[in-house]
Amino acid sequence: AQSVTQLDSQVPVFEEAPVELRCNYSSSVSVYLFWYVQYPNQGLQLLLKYLSGSTLVKGINGFEAEFNKSQTSFHLRKPSVHISDTAEYFCAVTWNSGNTPLVFGKGTRLSVIA
Amino acid sequence: DGGITQSPKYLFRKEGQNVTLSCEQNLNHDAMYWYRQDPGQGLRLIYYSQIVNDFQKGDIAEGYSVSREKKESFPLTVTSAQKNPTAFYLCASSMAGGLGQPQHFGDGTRLSIL
Repeated sequence: AQSVTQLDSQVPVFEEAPVELRCNYSSSVSVYLFWYVQYPNQGLQLLLKYLSGSTLVKGINGFEAEFNKSQTSFHLRKPSVHISDTAEYFCAVTWNSGNTPLVFGKGTRLSVIA
Repeated sequence: DGGITQSPKYLFRKEGQNVTLSCEQNLNHDAMYWYRQDPGQGLRLIYYSQIVNDFQKGDIAEGYSVSREKKESFPLTVTSAQKNPTAFYLCASSMAGGLGQPQHFGDGTRLSIL
């Protein structure tokens, strides 16, 4: 079965420092890739998506991600985090092999420290 | 504004009772999904539906049932056969069955056993 791995379950970082949240997926066939953010007791909000084209994707709230096909990775980055970025982040993938729903990683909890 | 409405936000169930979670969308989306979220487990797919009057089991369908009689509505019933129903349940929708279309999420229903 296809799978998504988020390598870090928790990432603490000081305010205004850069952060990278890592995501790897299991297959190199055609994929669509997504990052979502979840604030406490809320649903998921789309941060950014990669469908095709440029491998560097920019999203909302200053986040960006880079698709690396050879390493089957889609890491999320932000050059300078704010307290308000404290949340849980989910990487999700769907494979272009039919009508398959998204497969989600287990999430990374980002804690920004003042 | 268009969106997904889940109700109620909090729900309590006695042992042996069935309970139904509501999900309504006014985005004119074709596909709808139900996920279960447990701490550290990410999102696990329960059921999904790509068209009215049709639905498919996800990874953890046992103890759950759904219906899709209208495009706008996709209720989830947690039956007494689900032995560990305490969780946060998220409903989502998308334009098509996952081929590059991002999913939009409701704010979730938290189910607890009394």
